[in-house]
Amino acid sequence: GESVGLHLPTLSVQEGDNSIINCAYSNSASDYFIWYKQESGKGPQFIIDIRSNMDKRQGQRVTVLLNKTVKHLSLQIAATQPGDSAVYFCAEKTSARQLTFGSGTQLTVLP
Amino acid sequence: DTAVSQTPKYLVTQMGNDKSIKCEQNLGHDTMYWYKQDSKKFLKIMFSYNNKELIINETVPNRFSPKSPDKAHLNLHINSLELGDSAVYFCASSQGAGQPQHFGDGTRLSIL
Repeated sequence: GESVGLHLPTLSVQEGDNSIINCAYSNSASDYFIWYKQESGKGPQFIIDIRSNMDKRQGQRVTVLLNKTVKHLSLQIAATQPGDSAVYFCAEKTSARQLTFGSGTQLTVLP
Repeated sequence: DTAVSQTPKYLVTQMGNDKSIKCEQNLGHDTMYWYKQDSKKFLKIMFSYNNKELIINETVPNRFSPKSPDKAHLNLHINSLELGDSAVYFCASSQGAGQPQHFGDGTRLSIL
């Protein structure tokens, strides 16, 4: 399943499928990006980050892709599990002191 | 061990009251933040402190006043609460400004 961030804030996928969550960022000078996961009733948790000198970074079951040409960031989750159901945020470092968060995508994993 | 803890978790109060939310981090981080999350889950930064010094102060009504007694604590005091202040408020900390932030579990503020 795939979302386009602001235009599709909700993404539903079958358990076991791969998920792709997209994020369009605003500042072409941003040099650092982070994906966060927020479960219900909890604060956002760091998942994975990437610097602008890279276009791909992999973690455990997650991959972040960065396309600076079109200012696009995506989070891929392999073999999505029920525990992956959450709101996912991208954040960009818009200045030396500040991260700016995107609007979030609600991922729902269907049994 | 809770890394970033904020109290209370829930706060229900009348319009016009004054209330405070407390935040403590045990990560040894230099920078702390307050965010407001609205009903659509949008996270907006309000304030940031680095080593007890205010470094980010977004356009927030001056009814909101942060206080950092030391670098492990950042409290938020709100005067004359209004209906529009209803939201979830998150405290966060990081090792340096602009670095990955660790969040508390939020304080859900409801104004009656």
